[in-house]
Amino acid sequence: AQTVTQSQPEMSVQEAETVTLSCTYDTSESDYYLFWYKQPPSRQMILVIRQEAYKQQNATENRFSVNFQKAAKSFSLKISDSQLGDAAMYFCAYRRDDKIIFGKGTRLHILP
Amino acid sequence: NAGVMQNPRHLVRRRGQEARLRCSPMKGHSHVYWYRQLPEEGLKFMVYLQKENIIDESGMPKERFSAEFPKEGPSILRIQQVVRGDSAAYFCASSPPERVTYEQYFGPGTRLTVT
Repeated sequence: AQTVTQSQPEMSVQEAETVTLSCTYDTSESDYYLFWYKQPPSRQMILVIRQEAYKQQNATENRFSVNFQKAAKSFSLKISDSQLGDAAMYFCAYRRDDKIIFGKGTRLHILP
Repeated sequence: NAGVMQNPRHLVRRRGQEARLRCSPMKGHSHVYWYRQLPEEGLKFMVYLQKENIIDESGMPKERFSAEFPKEGPSILRIQQVVRGDSAAYFCASSPPERVTYEQYFGPGTRLTVT
């Protein structure tokens, strides 16, 4: 069975600094998708970034980038130049076929 | 293009009542997914539907829960005889038929409170 593990329940970062959120997953598949979702207090799930497992190049979206290590089954999210609006729960997620499996989340606090 | 719509946003039910949660997918999307989020937890897959078909219901509790996505109208998640443990946020997501990016677009969720 696929599982997604986020080992950091909470993290804090100073505004304008860089923070990395960790995620590991377990799968026996070779073709799948990985995501990071942001859930602010409004509870809306917002897709931050997506990575296809067959692509070796790490995905980047503006201040957000990932470090995808397929052999290690690791998928960390780096947020550069942190902003107050980045404060939220962040969920790492795995998808193959039609089901998305989410980790338990990391609550990110931004310190002004 | 309106996003995924869910209503109501908040629903309060007494134990034993029925809860009906509605989800209208994005325009052009024919795949609907329901997830449940318990407090301080990630989202857990419940069911995947296409129009008039349940494709995967492996995450649905065996009793009291049902889902449908009729030919016309929204998808409905129905919980009969609700209990306190059903209190959670229920999210609907949709995706287009071609599913090129394998991305699911989420609605704002319905927060169900059972008193």
